[in-house]
Amino acid sequence: VQLVESGGGLVKRGGSLRLSCAASGFTFSNAWMNWVRQAPGKGLEWVGRIKSNADGETTNYAAPVKGRFTISRDDSQNRLYLQASSLKAEDTAVYYCTTLTVWGNGTTVIVSS
Amino acid sequence: SNELTQPPSVSVSPGQTATITCSGDALPSRWSYWYQQKPGQAPILVVKKDNERPSGVPERFTGSTSGTTVTLTVSGVQAEDEADYYCQSTDTSGAWVFGGGTRLTVL
Repeated sequence: VQLVESGGGLVKRGGSLRLSCAASGFTFSNAWMNWVRQAPGKGLEWVGRIKSNADGETTNYAAPVKGRFTISRDDSQNRLYLQASSLKAEDTAVYYCTTLTVWGNGTTVIVSS
Repeated sequence: SNELTQPPSVSVSPGQTATITCSGDALPSRWSYWYQQKPGQAPILVVKKDNERPSGVPERFTGSTSGTTVTLTVSGVQAEDEADYYCQSTDTSGAWVFGGGTRLTVL
């Protein structure tokens, strides 16, 4: 059972980035998937979630990212995505994908001003 | 309120019992979860649904609830238990809410 994030990097303020999370070892299509982030030296912050296809692939977002971030999934590829736009300095963080019981190792996003 | 409040730090000697609390008005009606996070590593779930221990988690980790407070107890603390611990629950929309985290120091 594994989650592996990728796509992080250095981006300018106002820019965009697409994060990806590759899942293996479990039935990805049945899983509700979440993104959680952690700013340097800070605690965990929930970013958002996408439900399974069977549950309508409904998405929910935390207030700080609503309207700027979009979560999607490709069950045929066992992949989860986070499209982050209009990035701000406060979006600088390690981004984790997680089912709750399984967590990836994270990918780092740095937004420069 | 959907906020979860944890003490910033807890310190215990090896072999002693560490108690980490998490308070929130909505906790009586929501499941709680606890995560352990060591520096530079991803969080690990150590307690789910208030008091269930995931497979592979040592028996010294125990979750409990009482009213608006949930508690993570680590019995017989070992040096390897030194880490940050986060409680987590959900709000009425299903959004995850995290506590601010507690640094457990093993003296």
